[in-house]
Amino acid sequence: AQRVTQPEKLLSVFKGAPVELKCNYSYSGSPELFWYVQYSRQRLQLLLRHISRESIKGFTADLNKGETSFHLKKPFAQEEDSAMYYCALSNRDDKIIFGKGTRLHILP
Amino acid sequence: GAGVSQTPSNKVTEKGKYVELRCDPISGHTALYWYRQSLGQGPEFLIYFQGTGAADDSGLPNDRFFAVRPEGSVSTLKIQRTERGDSAVYLCASSANGNTEAFFGQGTRLTVV
Repeated sequence: AQRVTQPEKLLSVFKGAPVELKCNYSYSGSPELFWYVQYSRQRLQLLLRHISRESIKGFTADLNKGETSFHLKKPFAQEEDSAMYYCALSNRDDKIIFGKGTRLHILP
Repeated sequence: GAGVSQTPSNKVTEKGKYVELRCDPISGHTALYWYRQSLGQGPEFLIYFQGTGAADDSGLPNDRFFAVRPEGSVSTLKIQRTERGDSAVYLCASSANGNTEAFFGQGTRLTVV
């Protein structure tokens, strides 16, 4: 069965410190992995996807098929990074499954 | 329109009543998703349309829930005999096809009293 696990409900990080939001998945095929973000009072939006290999707002995520992980990282946290982050998985032409989310709180 | 639009934004209904939630996707998007999000939880998959047909409805919790997309554009999520446990934010998203970026609406907050 497809599953996305985000082990941390809340992560508090000081401004300027590195950030790592963990995501593990289970899927028998070759899924596509995403990170979505929801800022306060805004709608859910795509942050990045693994096939793009982009850095968005300083965030990167590497797909590790051996560990079935897709952790989100940023070297230096900024206050505007405070938000809910959701890891998600999809197979081609299929539904998107979300994790339960991690609330990132950047401390001043 | 500029994005995915959901109406109403808030709906309060009495237990046992019937409700319809509407989603207007981005024009031209063939894939449409419905999710339910309870407080402190991630979006829970309900149903996924490709065009007019439901490609996957495995997330619908029971037969009180039904969704349609008759012309491959607007979709309506229908809930019969509402229960207090149905209270949640119902999210709609659309994408150009099944594996590109999904754009979300602002959600409909349903409260069953």
